[in-house]
Amino acid sequence: SAVISQKPSRDICQRGTSLTIQCQVDSQVTMMFWYRQQPGQSLTLIATANQGSEATYESGFVIDKFPISRPNLTFSTLTVSNMSPEDSSIYLCSVTSGRIYNEQFFGPGTRLTVL
Amino acid sequence: DQQVKQNSPSLSVQEGRISILNCDYTNSMFDYFLWYKKYPAEGPTFLISISSIKDKNEDGRFTVFLNKSAKHLSLHIVPSQPGDSAVYFCAASANTDKLIFGTGTRLQVFP
Repeated sequence: SAVISQKPSRDICQRGTSLTIQCQVDSQVTMMFWYRQQPGQSLTLIATANQGSEATYESGFVIDKFPISRPNLTFSTLTVSNMSPEDSSIYLCSVTSGRIYNEQFFGPGTRLTVL
Repeated sequence: DQQVKQNSPSLSVQEGRISILNCDYTNSMFDYFLWYKKYPAEGPTFLISISSIKDKNEDGRFTVFLNKSAKHLSLHIVPSQPGDSAVYFCAASANTDKLIFGTGTRLQVFP
């Protein structure tokens, strides 16, 4: 199974600022996913990031607000830009396991609080 | 529009008894369903899955049942153990890598 780490594990930020979240995988993977879990809500897919191409964003999410980088097969970053209190969420990255169809391994998440 | 719904936000079960977690979906194009378990401060971990061509899949203490006509699936845990206390998410996909998650059910197993 893939081991995924995320940095930071949590942060408290002021509105109007930006935060970049890092996701590191211990093996090479083609697809990485970024999710958001708002308080009391389900996990919602933000975007899919493939190495060497632009990320594919889901409805309701735009690149200007959530720019993503995918410089290699083991690393990705998600930036939450111009933050507002509504961005307070847990942000998680994941990768497909390649073992069981649609099984994904998740990182521990980044808990973001925007004041 | 919530395509995957878990209408029970919480469930409390005595150790040794059966836990039944329910999930309903609206999209008839979903062809694969998964259950994930999440402990506090950790990411979700895969538990069990089922294809739409089956109505049951079993793995040890965990069994998932799928009723396509009712667009309903359930996760049975028998016997329940205190270590099963966690939030359980059901998720669905429609022939893609994208997962649609429910809002989760918090299971508490007490002695």
